[in-house]
Amino acid sequence: DAKTTQPTSMDCAEGRAANLPCNHSTISGNEYVYWYRQIHSQGPQYIIHGLKNNETNEMASLIITEDRKSSTLILPHATLRDTAVYYCIVRVVNTGTASKLTFGTGTRLQVTL
Amino acid sequence: NAGVTQTPKFQVLKTGQSMTLQCAQDMNHEYMSWYRQDPGMGLRLIHYSVGAGITDQGEVPNGYNVSRSTTEDFPLRLLSAAPSQTSVYFCASSRLGSSYNSPLHFGNGTRLTVT
Repeated sequence: DAKTTQPTSMDCAEGRAANLPCNHSTISGNEYVYWYRQIHSQGPQYIIHGLKNNETNEMASLIITEDRKSSTLILPHATLRDTAVYYCIVRVVNTGTASKLTFGTGTRLQVTL
Repeated sequence: NAGVTQTPKFQVLKTGQSMTLQCAQDMNHEYMSWYRQDPGMGLRLIHYSVGAGITDQGEVPNGYNVSRSTTEDFPLRLLSAAPSQTSVYFCASSRLGSSYNSPLHFGNGTRLTVT
């Protein structure tokens, strides 16, 4: 299973872009990169995912390097409500159609005034 | 849609007691799973299911049983609670098949304390 490495914590000023890095150097060709976040012990919330192309949705952008060994989640205009733990996950596909996510400890993002 | 619903929100057990954590989803998702989260740690997979009648073990299955008799429900049973099972438990579901990369939807958790 490909594992991910994220910084333990980061700070970001409100209104600025938050760039959260993730290393996944052992990722294999058919594994997607997923990002989730967890706000104050609520259930994790899906943000975005991608395979090899950059992706954007209403919440964030995902930039994946060409060799797929790392990625960056970008929150373009961080607000106080974006304060959360952000998890970068590589989706492990089991035999058949079963699949499961392996979560690490994530990055605690603190957005400040 | 209510999404993924977990009950109860909070529970206190004595060592050796048994209980069932309930999880229900109304999105017709084939895949359902249980995670536990301990302070300072990420989520660890306990058990998962890819459809009614099919279950499998995750990373930390010991002390827990599951069954999947319907698509909607995936209860987690603690047969003899231990203090080491004090944790926050999350249930999650997603679609499968051709959309195997579909995201997980999580419930808001059950906070369990075993004394």
